[in-house]
Amino acid sequence: RKEVEQDPGPFNVPEGATVAFNCTYSNSASQSFFWYRQDCRKEPKLLMSVYSSGNEDGRFTAQLNRASQYISLLIRDSKLSDSATYLCVVNMGNYGQNFVFGPGTRLSVLP
Amino acid sequence: SQTIHQWPATLVQPVGSPLSLECTVEGTSNPNLYWYRQAAGRGLQLLFYSVGIGQISSEVPQNLSASRPQDRQFILSSKKLLLSDSGFYLCAWSDTRSSYNSPLHFGNGTRLTVT
Repeated sequence: RKEVEQDPGPFNVPEGATVAFNCTYSNSASQSFFWYRQDCRKEPKLLMSVYSSGNEDGRFTAQLNRASQYISLLIRDSKLSDSATYLCVVNMGNYGQNFVFGPGTRLSVLP
Repeated sequence: SQTIHQWPATLVQPVGSPLSLECTVEGTSNPNLYWYRQAAGRGLQLLFYSVGIGQISSEVPQNLSASRPQDRQFILSSKKLLLSDSGFYLCAWSDTRSSYNSPLHFGNGTRLTVT
């Protein structure tokens, strides 16, 4: 089993749609969780951290279920500019040096 | 605010030639530093990380090496490049002072093509 797994995608959705991405991780001792977006041929950029109680940033909502070792990202009212690859990242170490990346899920928002 | 600089942005090198990629961080002290590689169409692979000057941990045995001569400088090197070294190299840092919730911050990356 891979350490971090994500929906394989790609997701092709119309503008205005709501889309959800799922991510599972193998290490129950993992400490922190993040969603990044990566545009084609660019570096990953932090989208949001994921907190135990769930958190929201505008149209984006992240949730964490530690019991199921599951993280989700919900995007509401999709924009064309949301088209990117979304990376689930899990920090499995206590001292910040064990960030494990999922393979990513490609999203294309269509006009 | 903190910034991370990585150069060059693109590089074309022949097989067997040496490599030196440099990364510097500004606006923070004693960061954790990382080198990742992303092959075309693939996920990110951690190559090296460093928790302090002169302290390097290697995640994947290969013909690459890393050094941290100064607190905020991280260098990726190779004596002889292989075709398989082609990829997108990303330097990143994280804050050691903000507990385990500190995210990774990436430089703009270097796109290396070995011919």
